[in-house]
Amino acid sequence: NAGVTQTPKFQVLKTGQSMTLQCAQDMNHNSMYWYRQDPGMGLRLIYYSASEGTTDKGEVPNGYNVSRLNKREFSLRLESAAPSQTSVYFCASAGPPLQGSNTEAFFGQGTRLTVV
Amino acid sequence: GENVEQHPSTLSVQEGDSAVIKCTYSDSASNYFPWYKQELGKGPQLIIDIRSNVGEKKDQRIAVTLNKTAKHFSLHITETQPEDSAVYFCAARAPGSARQLTFGSGTQLTVLP
Repeated sequence: NAGVTQTPKFQVLKTGQSMTLQCAQDMNHNSMYWYRQDPGMGLRLIYYSASEGTTDKGEVPNGYNVSRLNKREFSLRLESAAPSQTSVYFCASAGPPLQGSNTEAFFGQGTRLTVV
Repeated sequence: GENVEQHPSTLSVQEGDSAVIKCTYSDSASNYFPWYKQELGKGPQLIIDIRSNVGEKKDQRIAVTLNKTAKHFSLHITETQPEDSAVYFCAARAPGSARQLTFGSGTQLTVLP
């Protein structure tokens, strides 16, 4: 019963390097999300995917790209990392609404990224 | 878009006392308000949620109240214990296909033994 799994847990990049953060969920959820968490700013939405095959920008999408590879996997790519992208990144997923109500969003353990 | 404000940013209470965290939201269409607890080095975990058709919900020592008219909701923790120490986030969600959450900035709760 893994829930939402993120890899890697920690990463240090040099400015200008690229990398992909991986996320997979095993709950058969339709929606998946990428958030970043910075001190004093809560969690801010970077990109989301309402269903397989669709992606949309969130509040802070600049400098990022995403791919919804299939229903289980949603990856976040930094093409040219900048120090401003130093943050903790969380992936989350949520299921379809049940009879018009909302369902819980489950979070992964996070990826701590440092860009030097 | 939705904007969620959360207060206070830090809160210290003595063990056994109550703690209250307050949030306001801007989008009157929002209809789902979860509260998450985040322990050090971990992802946020849902502790309680409330939907817009309900004014109050309780789960043991935790309760949430919602005032739709004033657009604010609060988390109440009674008989606090040291293990309640964590960062707490409120969030709001408007109807829509993706149902993304907008989070408050978080409250660091410290329960002093």
